[in-house]
Amino acid sequence: AQKVTQAQTEISVVEKEDVTLDCVYETRDTTYYLFWYKQPPSGELVFLIRRNSFDEQNEISGRYSWNFQKSTSSFNFTITASQVVDSAVYFCALSLPGGGNKLTFGTGTQLKVEL
Amino acid sequence: NAGVTQTPKFRVLKTGQSMTLLCAQDMNHEYMYWYRQDPGMGLRLIHYSVGEGTTAKGEVPDGYNVSRLKKQNFLLGLESAAPSQTSVYFCASRLSGGPYNEQFFGPGTRLTVL
Repeated sequence: AQKVTQAQTEISVVEKEDVTLDCVYETRDTTYYLFWYKQPPSGELVFLIRRNSFDEQNEISGRYSWNFQKSTSSFNFTITASQVVDSAVYFCALSLPGGGNKLTFGTGTQLKVEL
Repeated sequence: NAGVTQTPKFRVLKTGQSMTLLCAQDMNHEYMYWYRQDPGMGLRLIHYSVGEGTTAKGEVPDGYNVSRLKKQNFLLGLESAAPSQTSVYFCASRLSGGPYNEQFFGPGTRLTVL
């Protein structure tokens, strides 16, 4: 069975600080996909990024970057120069082939960015 | 395109009452999902569908039923609501194919069972 762990329940930072959200996953499959979603205070879930198990290249998109390391089963998310608008709950999720390609979510990390 | 819509946005039920939550998508997606979100537990899958006329159980299916009579709609039913079903319910849809396709989520339905 697969599992996603987000050990950080809540993180508070001051604006312009860098912050890293941790995600550790468990699966016996060799083919899988990892996702990050953002849930702002308005409540909707917004897709941020996907990564497949065969692509360990790090990804950068503006102030966001993702570090995928199969050796430690981690897919961490870093926000550089955080802003108040980054305040949200961030979810990491895992999807396997077949069976409806269901998403297994972590419990989420609440990020609060203060002035 | 409206994307994924959910009806209603809020609802208060009394224990034992029944209700149906409607999810509609206009993206011609094959796959649809119902999740519930509870504090400290992330999102958990209730039921899902890989196509019109098909449904399958997820992680927490007890107390819920679903139907997918039309490709664009996925209904979630509570036959006899219980306080433990107080939650925020999210519907999602995605294209068929591999697990690389992201799910698109609706705005959620906040349900309170008294």
